[in-house]
Amino acid sequence: KNQVEQSPQSLIILEGKNCTLQCNYTVSPFSNLRWYKQDTGRGPVSLTIMTFSENTKSNGRYTATLDADTKQSSLHITASQLSDSASYICVVSDRGSTLGRLYFGRGTQLTVWP
Amino acid sequence: EADIYQTPRYLVIGTGKKITLECSQTMGHDKMYWYQQDPGMELHLIHYSYGVNSTEKGDLSSESTVSRIRTEHFPLTLESARPSHTSQYLCASSGRGTGELFFGEGSRLTVL
Repeated sequence: KNQVEQSPQSLIILEGKNCTLQCNYTVSPFSNLRWYKQDTGRGPVSLTIMTFSENTKSNGRYTATLDADTKQSSLHITASQLSDSASYICVVSDRGSTLGRLYFGRGTQLTVWP
Repeated sequence: EADIYQTPRYLVIGTGKKITLECSQTMGHDKMYWYQQDPGMELHLIHYSYGVNSTEKGDLSSESTVSRIRTEHFPLTLESARPSHTSQYLCASSGRGTGELFFGEGSRLTVL
C-alpha cells in the first residue's frame, strides 16, 4: 500500500535553533517528493520539489534531502524563526499513470517559541 | 505568490442548504483540484479536472459536484449540506512541467 509517514507528529523548538523533520514513504513507482508549508488557516505553499536523481535541495533556510534507496526524506530548518511555526507536509508523486497521483503525509506541526 | 483564489473563506450554514465554493486561477493552468482537509489529517482528493468540460471524482467519496466550463473557474457545489460536510476545502491548480501544485487559501465550511 502506498503511504507517506511523517515524524514527529509535532515539535516545539526555541527561536534560533535548528530542527529536522522526517518523511518515510512506500510509494512506488516514484516520480518526485515535495515539501509544503501550511500556516494555520491557510493553503499549503511549496518549499521544494525533488526528483529521483536529486539528493538535496535548498530554499533559503530550508534544506530538503532525499534518499531514494531507503525511501526517506528530511527537511532541515536552520536558525528557526517565529514565522516558521506551521505544519510541514511531505507529498510523494508516483509515475504509475501519466497523471502522477499524489500521496500526502499528515504533516509535522512545528511550533517555534521566542 | 500563487494567483488562485477561493471564496468564501469561512461559511457557517444550516443543514439542508445548498452551497457553492468558488475557485478561480489566473495562471492558465489546465489541471485543477479540490481537496478536503480535517485537522491533523492528510489532504484527500475529492475532485479533479484536466481541462474544460473534464471532471473526475477523486479518492475520497464526496456528495459534492464540480463543473469546469471555463479554464480559470472550478466551483464545488453541495446540494444539501450536512454536519458531516464540516471541513476545510482546498482548491489547487497545476501547470505543465513538474506539476507543482498551487493552493488557494481554503474555504472553511461549518454545517450546523
